[in-house]
Amino acid sequence: DSGVTQTPKHLITATGQRVTLRCSPRSGDLSVYWYQQSLDQGLQFLIHYYNGEERAKGNILERFSAQQFPDLHSELNLSSLELGDSALYFCASSVARQGSYGYTFGSGTRLTVV
Amino acid sequence: DQQVKQNSPSLSVQEGRISILNCDYTNSMFDYFLWYKKYPAEGPTFLISISSIKDKNEDGRFTVFLNKSAKHLSLHIVPSQPGDSAVYFCAASEVYSGGGADGLTFGKGTHLIIQP
Repeated sequence: DSGVTQTPKHLITATGQRVTLRCSPRSGDLSVYWYQQSLDQGLQFLIHYYNGEERAKGNILERFSAQQFPDLHSELNLSSLELGDSALYFCASSVARQGSYGYTFGSGTRLTVV
Repeated sequence: DQQVKQNSPSLSVQEGRISILNCDYTNSMFDYFLWYKKYPAEGPTFLISISSIKDKNEDGRFTVFLNKSAKHLSLHIVPSQPGDSAVYFCAASEVYSGGGADGLTFGKGTHLIIQP
């Protein structure tokens, strides 16, 4: 158990729908990162939050959004889902404001859009 | 444009032999490099890292070598064990240049298979 909790583990939904993925960081970690891993792809950085504030955006689609709440858990919202959004979505956390030294990953949410 | 490349999607090695996983990068601003290991149905876990001021870092059976001039790093596992079978991701970041807000840039991974 890495200490980073992601729910749900699996999600199957239809095209056009909206889903919310949840991440609870390790105790004491203030940074939360979201990554997407599509088939045969590496982990693609989506967005980074530090202590409730957005720090950086990567290749995140406009249909996707995220937020970090006062209790430091984070949610990734995916809307108007398309088949190509099917992927593993990982959350990671670190105590630092910057993630340059690496961070701890959760076990991921597997999203299947049908 | 992929800044971190792992050109071997898979690698098969006999148990007890050395496994060598390679990684190339194009961004000269990268100054910190990490290897993550991933089992199916789990998130990536940190394995070993190296700063650009070093050319080698060792931790037990795992050694990472960095060749800055060639923009190349490699992970050596010796001896290889069945439990090492996993996907290995190379990652890079800009620590000293202050670009760390974006975190890590990952390669696509190499699936290492240790054969008994």
